[in-house]
Amino acid sequence: DADVTQTPRNRITKTGKRIMLECSQTKGHDRMYWYRQDPGLGLRLIYYSFDVKDINKGEISDGYSVSRQAQAKFSLSLESAIPNQTALYFCATSDSRTAYEQYFGPGTRLTVT
Amino acid sequence: GDSVTQMEGPVTLSEEAFLTINCTYTATGYPSLFWYVQYPGEGLQLLLKATKADDKGSNKGFEATYRKETTSFHLEKGSVQVSDSAVYFCALGSGGYQKVTFGTGTKLQVIP
Repeated sequence: DADVTQTPRNRITKTGKRIMLECSQTKGHDRMYWYRQDPGLGLRLIYYSFDVKDINKGEISDGYSVSRQAQAKFSLSLESAIPNQTALYFCATSDSRTAYEQYFGPGTRLTVT
Repeated sequence: GDSVTQMEGPVTLSEEAFLTINCTYTATGYPSLFWYVQYPGEGLQLLLKATKADDKGSNKGFEATYRKETTSFHLEKGSVQVSDSAVYFCALGSGGYQKVTFGTGTKLQVIP
């Protein structure tokens, strides 16, 4: 079984809809991250969480919100989806003891029409 | 702020050719450096790392040496295989909150 799972894997939604992407991990890591990947731009950090009560904005948090329901679960929400949020979204985890080594989920391909 | 610059792709090589993907960085202090690989349809996986100057990271035949004097961390492999076709990301880690900065990725295609 995968250590970091994301649901759904693919999603098509309409402009203005609210959508939630979910991430779960079985690695026992305390830190979790959400990134988006766009062609030619690499990965950009949306939000990160160092534990359940510690959530921080990344470089492109506008239009997104997150919830850390438990150490193992970290959800990303688009409150009112817009077409330029069409991208590949990745969840990642890391352990505070092994700095910077991140483990990624398989990604969610989101299309906003 | 911190940044990573890597060569644009795609890079197309024949099987058994020598591979170099260039990566340079800008950072304050002494960052850790990484190469991640993304196979089609998958998330990124850590390929190798180096945590201080002159360290050499290696894995699966890939190598990269942390060069502080040239602020570089070039990825090399002596003989590529079709199965190495993927997107390769150079990254650095620094800062008290352990932020990772990724390059834009270089797509490698290896043809038989």
